[in-house]
Amino acid sequence: QKEVEQNSGPLSVPEGAIASLNCTYSDRGSQSFFWYRQYSGKSPELIMFIYSNGDKEDGRFTAQLNKASQYVSLLIRDSQPSDSATYLCAVLGMDSSYKLIFGSGTRLLVRP
Amino acid sequence: GAVVSQHPSRVICKSGTSVKIECRSLDFQATTMFWYRQFPKKSLMLMATSNEGSKATYEQGVEKDKFLINHASLTLSTLTVTSAHPEDSSFYICSARPPLAGVLGAGEQFFGPGTRLTVL
Repeated sequence: QKEVEQNSGPLSVPEGAIASLNCTYSDRGSQSFFWYRQYSGKSPELIMFIYSNGDKEDGRFTAQLNKASQYVSLLIRDSQPSDSATYLCAVLGMDSSYKLIFGSGTRLLVRP
Repeated sequence: GAVVSQHPSRVICKSGTSVKIECRSLDFQATTMFWYRQFPKKSLMLMATSNEGSKATYEQGVEKDKFLINHASLTLSTLTVTSAHPEDSSFYICSARPPLAGVLGAGEQFFGPGTRLTVL
């Protein structure tokens, strides 16, 4: 079983819609969760992190965490074509190495 | 804040040569730096974890004699691909982790822009 799972997509949404990206993780003790955006040919860019149950909002982005269900999601409101990218979910490992465990990413396409 | 640079951005070399890639944290001290590689349309693959002043910890299957990592200061880590071969061609990306005690600290990593290595 993969430690961090994401649907590979592509998730296709029209411009202006809400894009919902989901991620599940296997280690129940995980505490810190991250969303990165990666454009084709570029390196990942941190969008948000969350470590408390509930919602965390930053502009058009909302991260949602449900530790009981081992589920973290990212909502993008008013999606723009420039949001088209691969979104990587990452979980901070439980050992002392501070490694991030990445999902394989979900490709988002926002149609004009 | 939290800017990480990487140099060079692109390198083309002949088979058998060695290539050094530098990773610098520009506005924070990075206790830990990480090196990843990524093949086209594939996931990030962690190669090694580098702590300042100590030996790097390599992931299973990564040849430590082929991918030499040095983390000489809190702002600089280097990856040297020794005797590069065409199968080493890939996108190499470093990341740096700020200290947890800082305002950025939740364990996040900030990535450099990456180095695209092509071995002919």
